[in-house]
Amino acid sequence: EDQVTQSPEALRLQEGESSSLNCSYTVSGLRGLFWYRQDPGKGPEFLFTLYSAGEEKEKERLKATLTKKESFLHITAPKPEDSATYLCAVLLGGSYIPTFGRGTSLIVHP
Amino acid sequence: DTEVTQTPKHLVMGMTNKKSLKCEQHMGHRAMYWYKQKAKKPPELMFVYSYEKLSINESVPSRFSPECPNSSLLNLHLHALQPEDSALYLCASSQGPARDTEAFFGQGTRLTVV
Repeated sequence: EDQVTQSPEALRLQEGESSSLNCSYTVSGLRGLFWYRQDPGKGPEFLFTLYSAGEEKEKERLKATLTKKESFLHITAPKPEDSATYLCAVLLGGSYIPTFGRGTSLIVHP
Repeated sequence: DTEVTQTPKHLVMGMTNKKSLKCEQHMGHRAMYWYKQKAKKPPELMFVYSYEKLSINESVPSRFSPECPNSSLLNLHLHALQPEDSALYLCASSQGPARDTEAFFGQGTRLTVV
């Protein structure tokens, strides 16, 4: 059973159509949650770190939020250049090594 | 500077070749990682070095041999690979144990085994 689950697996949006991606985790003791953006054939690009429930971070059209059991990545008025795979990773238990979810593939149509 | 540099960007090698992938960071990070990523899959952890010592080997075949010459460099030596080893190989670094901070990734080496 996956400890980190991302949904949906794939998402198609029209330009300007806001939506949210979800990352949920099944174990307790979250010590940090990270969002990354990955373009095809490239390494993941770091976006945000969240540590505490209620914490929010923003960057351009992206806003990440954290509750006790999940995180959301909100995309406001997306543009085609926001098309990418968005990966969530968490620090669980005593490990400093992040556990990755399977990612959400986002396609934004013009 | 949050840059992790990987070379080469692309590599094509035969099954009898020996090659090496290189990774460098100058952020003072004490944990460095090798990941393997297949198309449409998340990164899969291979090795972790902590303070220049190998701390995790995720049951990786011996045809992959990691090396950490110093705190800024990480190598992955490749020998007698199989076509199924073709993938994107990613290096990453983070501050390390007892520091709950994000990892930064390089742009990867696209490896093709023929």
